[in-house]
Amino acid sequence: EVQVVESGGGLVQPGGSLRLSCAASGLTFSSYWMSWVRQAPGKGLEWVANIKYDGSAKYYLDSVKGRFTISRDNAKNSLYLQMNSLRVEDTAMYYCAIGDPEYWGQGTLVTVS
Amino acid sequence: QVVLTQSPSASASLGASVKLTCTLSSGYSRNAIAWHQQQPEKGPRYLMKVNSDGSHSKGDGIPDRFAGSSSGAERYLTISSLQSEDEADYYCQTWGTGSWVFGGGTKLTVL
Repeated sequence: EVQVVESGGGLVQPGGSLRLSCAASGLTFSSYWMSWVRQAPGKGLEWVANIKYDGSAKYYLDSVKGRFTISRDNAKNSLYLQMNSLRVEDTAMYYCAIGDPEYWGQGTLVTVS
Repeated sequence: QVVLTQSPSASASLGASVKLTCTLSSGYSRNAIAWHQQQPEKGPRYLMKVNSDGSHSKGDGIPDRFAGSSSGAERYLTISSLQSEDEADYYCQTWGTGSWVFGGGTKLTVL
């Protein structure tokens, strides 16, 4: 069974930083593109960033370019999102997604206030 | 950039069927899309991928009550024999150049 668990969310002041983590199990992690998707309170899903299975390609939502960095550690089956210069509008539940995506986590809440 | 359009809400009775629609913007009628279900206070769940020819491939454990189809720029999700746990938000999603695009979601109410 595939399991996806996010962590690292919390309350941070505007301009602050957070690092989100996502641990995956039950699949060959290194074979999948990995992504972060967020959902502001009461809103729909918004793609944030993704990274190729070997880390050789990364893509970002325009509004987070230069502030967020996606990375992965295939030896640890883990995905990360370093978020700097956080803004109030970054407040959302952040979900880790695997593949197209075929698998989702339960999310970790980031509040910028 | 592709845009996906969904009706904000839909409703149907317990045991009935409902067909949700996702419309691709002009020039993207051949795009495949994916459907995701999000029950209240939960993370999304992948349901299926729907291709332009109407073929679809479901995620792990998705019951036969869920089916996908296509017509032109429209992609459909049909849910049969509606159950109370089907009350959820349903999002369609497609792939851009290195990015993903989501529709605004349809909130399904089971009466």
